[in-house]
Amino acid sequence: DTEVTQTPKHLVMGMTNKKSLKCEQHMGHRAMYWYKQKAKKPPELMFVYSYEKLSINESVPSRFSPECPNSSLLNLHLHALQPEDSALYLCASSRGPILGKEQFFGPGTRLTVL
Amino acid sequence: DAKTTQPNSMESNEEEPVHLPCNHSTISGTDYIHWYRQLPSQGPEYVIHGLTSNVNNRMASLAIAEDRKSSTLILHRATLRDAAVYYCTAYSGAGSYQLTFGKGTKLSVIP
Repeated sequence: DTEVTQTPKHLVMGMTNKKSLKCEQHMGHRAMYWYKQKAKKPPELMFVYSYEKLSINESVPSRFSPECPNSSLLNLHLHALQPEDSALYLCASSRGPILGKEQFFGPGTRLTVL
Repeated sequence: DAKTTQPNSMESNEEEPVHLPCNHSTISGTDYIHWYRQLPSQGPEYVIHGLTSNVNNRMASLAIAEDRKSSTLILHRATLRDAAVYYCTAYSGAGSYQLTFGKGTKLSVIP
């Protein structure tokens, strides 16, 4: 299984809502990532988890809260988002925090904040 | 952070080779060069990576300049399914596993 799955595919939420994005992989990868991608722009790294510990937070606002319950799962909890947070949220995984290892990306969750 | 520069767009005829250039003049000696591509409505897909030597795999070849300030992704025979945005990326710094995506080249393949 070389797939990264993300749910939901689409999400529409109001600015006062709390929602979560879910990402799952069963490749035994020990590094997992969240990226944000605005339309016609490249992906931007948000968070990196290595062996279930948060190792990189790219100065992301606290209204985004990541969680890695186990080595296969990665969540992104959303609260009090702004309309400018509307974007494609991509999850990725790689074998481990070793330089040069390829990342496998999921199809993304398209988030719209009203 | 290592930055990459790519042309905004390129066109190729179907079944012809395509050379996609990337400049990464600020790359450090330990930064790997990775290429990903993103088809419409999909997440990025790994294509190839390298450090110093040229690399080949089933999808493409990667030619890295001797001074490592630039590289070229080579698709040997473009197909319509190769139409995508191609990102040249670099890991920024030793011990880091952060992909810093460039702006990407949108490749159009003409039948």
